[in-house]
Amino acid sequence: GDSVTQMEGPVTLSEEAFLTINCTYTATGYPSLFWYVQYPGEGLQLLLKATKADDKGSNKGFEATYRKETTSFHLEKGSVQVSDSAVYFCARSQETSGSRLTFGEGTQLTVNP
Amino acid sequence: ETGVTQTPRHLVMGMTNKKSLKCEQHLGHNAMYWYKQSAKKPLELMFVYSLEERVENNSVPSRFSPECPNSSHLFLHLHTLQPEDSALYLCASSQDLTGSSYNSPLHFGNGTRLTVT
Repeated sequence: GDSVTQMEGPVTLSEEAFLTINCTYTATGYPSLFWYVQYPGEGLQLLLKATKADDKGSNKGFEATYRKETTSFHLEKGSVQVSDSAVYFCARSQETSGSRLTFGEGTQLTVNP
Repeated sequence: ETGVTQTPRHLVMGMTNKKSLKCEQHLGHNAMYWYKQSAKKPLELMFVYSLEERVENNSVPSRFSPECPNSSHLFLHLHTLQPEDSALYLCASSQDLTGSSYNSPLHFGNGTRLTVT
């Protein structure tokens, strides 16, 4: 079935460090891929998305490229800030229904000043 | 007010209590969802409503009972819960179910933190 696997957290970085959070998905169908972010005490917010192979989603300095050959959608940011501390969720659309999403377990990121 | 609003933000209830979670969306969306978020587990989709009709029920125990009186409101009625039901319950909405999730992304509320004692 559809599934998403994220790198285990928590991840702790210093301000201005480079961030990578790995995400891989099951290769069934042609899913759309997403990264959502959850700040403390809030719900999830869409961070970026990509719909087909080699598409790059980007927002707020974050980027992720849809890699069909490696079934990956890794999240990257060149220089993280304290305000980026949050939980990050990778998600794919379900094969049976494009409007439903399957989420990964989430990765907790803490950025220290 | 815009977005998806959930009340209450926090709820503590005993196993014999009956309570309800409320969700309201001001986005003009036609689809609404209940998700359960437990520590170190992926988000679990519980229920999906489209135009006030329930279209999905993912093997959720009957002690959780959803209600969608109109396209802007969604409730989750709770009774005789178990301690393992303690979690963050998230409501979400999207424009519809017919399009792809790429063009109709989910908008989440801030959740209700439920503790069952």
